[in-house]
Amino acid sequence: DGGITQSPKYLFRKEGQNVTLSCEQNLNHDAMYWYRQDPGQGLRLIYYSQIVNDFQKGDIAEGYSVSREKKESFPLTVTSAQKNPTAFYLCASRRGYEQYFGPGTRLTVT
Amino acid sequence: AQKVTQAQTEISVVEKEDVTLDCVYETRDTTYYLFWYKQPPSGELVFLIRRNSFDEQNEISGRYSWNFQKSTSSFNFTITASQVVDSAVYFCALGRGSSASKIIFGSGTRLSIRP
Repeated sequence: DGGITQSPKYLFRKEGQNVTLSCEQNLNHDAMYWYRQDPGQGLRLIYYSQIVNDFQKGDIAEGYSVSREKKESFPLTVTSAQKNPTAFYLCASRRGYEQYFGPGTRLTVT
Repeated sequence: AQKVTQAQTEISVVEKEDVTLDCVYETRDTTYYLFWYKQPPSGELVFLIRRNSFDEQNEISGRYSWNFQKSTSSFNFTITASQVVDSAVYFCALGRGSSASKIIFGSGTRLSIRP
């Protein structure tokens, strides 16, 4: 089945630790995205990548880092510099004009 | 400034009622794209529709219909004869750039359909 996978579904970390969220797609899409969703809010763009080995900051990139070494993979690292990392993180890939989303990872930092 | 406003935070209706979700957008671009996504309790966003700025034709897909009016910068979504399975958070979004490479989301409307 083609699609976007994010693992794990739930992730728990202690404050001060870096954590990497996985995003894999087998749709052969060039562009990939990371969004953050907080309760009662829409999605906010963290980083996006239009092509392998290239990525751009979104609206809330501070405290996050990404890499795009393979077309299929776009991992997101939430660093200890992110002030409020607890949130729901969604990965997406784009074909044409439409973005297709993964199931999301709910990160809780205590 | 680019902005999407969904003024209705939550809507609750009884099954089989019609319901309209409002969306107002702001942009200075002459070419842009409008989207609706559905987020069921599972969390994954599901694409529903895209309209281009140069195509104001309304669209109907089964019980769903969309009304795009550039004069009022609105892109409203109506569900006819609502069902419990329609319960979800619905997001309106504005895309800009070539191929709508960046999307700005509204804050969403939580729709609850009561049996």
